Amino acid sequence: QVQLVQSGAEMKKPGASVKVSCKASGYTFTTYDINWVRQAPGQGLEWMGWMNPNSGNTGYSQKFQGRVKFTRDTSISTAYLELSSLTSDDTAVYYCARVLGIGNMIRGVLGYWGQGTLVTVSS
Amino acid sequence: DIVMTQSPDSLTLSLGERATINCKSSQSVLYSSNNQNYLAWYQQKPGQPPKLLLYWASTRGSGVPDRFSGSGSGTDFTLTISSLQAEDVAVYYCQQHYSSPYSFGQGTKLEIK
Repeated sequence: QVQLVQSGAEMKKPGASVKVSCKASGYTFTTYDINWVRQAPGQGLEWMGWMNPNSGNTGYSQKFQGRVKFTRDTSISTAYLELSSLTSDDTAVYYCARVLGIGNMIRGVLGYWGQGTLVTVSS
Repeated sequence: DIVMTQSPDSLTLSLGERATINCKSSQSVLYSSNNQNYLAWYQQKPGQPPKLLLYWASTRGSGVPDRFSGSGSGTDFTLTISSLQAEDVAVYYCQQHYSSPYSFGQGTKLEIK
């Protein structure tokens, strides 16, 4: 079965960077896009962007452009999110999510989710 | 960017009642080439990641009970739970998957009376 297992909680100081991992199993990692979504405490869902694990192509929400980077290591079926210049507003649970299927019609439909990684930014 | 707006923000109903949640997009999410609405619904229970309920406005995800249904087209959509069960207590989000950024609504919290 499809599983996405994320790295553990992080505590960072303002101005620092964080890197969150998302290890995929139960399917061919390079076949399906991975998206990243975050959720601040008590708030709603915020879409951050997508990555094609095969090509490495990425698309970022304008809000995070220049501050976020999605990468992957296909040898270990793992996707990464790196967010820099952290502020307290970046305190959130960060989710990786795999799209439901292949093709433009299903792009952005998030069928499988990781358990989430809490990133806390505090001085 | 497409802005998604849900109503109401919260809803309290009795077991067995019908729940209706609305979602409005700032521009149409209907792809004319295939006549599909690129609108998804997710359910999030406390302490859990979201779960896909519906996509293409009305297609249920795997294992989703048939008491969950979706309707609407263009800019106005509805999620209906036909007979509320205790396990349906959650926050529900709509999301457009028409164009990047794939924005979410602000969420609707559903509680049992």
